[in-house]
Amino acid sequence: GIQVEQSPPDLILQEGANSTLRCNFSDSVNNLQWFHQNPWGQLINLFYIPSGTKQNGRLSATTVATERYSLLYISSSQTTDSGVYFCAVGRAGRRALTFGSGTRLQVQP
Amino acid sequence: DAGVIQSPRHEVTEMGQEVTLRCKPISGHNSLFWYRQTMMRGLELLIYFNNNVPIDDSGMPEDRFSAKMPNASFSTLKIQPSEPRDSAVYFCASSLRPDTQYFGPGTRLTVL
Repeated sequence: GIQVEQSPPDLILQEGANSTLRCNFSDSVNNLQWFHQNPWGQLINLFYIPSGTKQNGRLSATTVATERYSLLYISSSQTTDSGVYFCAVGRAGRRALTFGSGTRLQVQP
Repeated sequence: DAGVIQSPRHEVTEMGQEVTLRCKPISGHNSLFWYRQTMMRGLELLIYFNNNVPIDDSGMPEDRFSAKMPNASFSTLKIQPSEPRDSAVYFCASSLRPDTQYFGPGTRLTVL
């Protein structure tokens, strides 16, 4: 199956700082999503981005499919950004997603 | 919309007992997914249904696990008999399109 590696595994930031999270995947995909799991365990979809760049407020994501990686940018981080960020990928013709191990982000006031 | 509904939210049981987890997907969604999250293995797909039909159950760990989707608005995941290593958070998710999966709040299962 597809291997998904995320880095860094842990990240501690001061409020207001910027950060970049990385996701590498081992094979061609036609589905890539970023999720945020808040401290209460709820998983929320942030982006569907199999290729290209998208922005939503302070968050943006870029996927370079030919080089098999995706980046999630968080600017001007807030304490509410804390939690675990997951990258998940899927192959053509299958809705099933394979999740990476996540990046645990802690934003301190 | 109420979102994906899971019940119970917490379940504590003893080894050997049968456990049934329930999920109500978002109305109109045609795909339903069961995931399990543990510290050791992270988030892993157990099974997914499309139009109530199981499409991929390769993630189901063993015969003790079974899942059903009798209609478009209800699915169950059953573990019989349960074992301590089954302790995890079980998530149900649903989708209408491939680009977004909506997750329920999860069921935290503890098997003593």
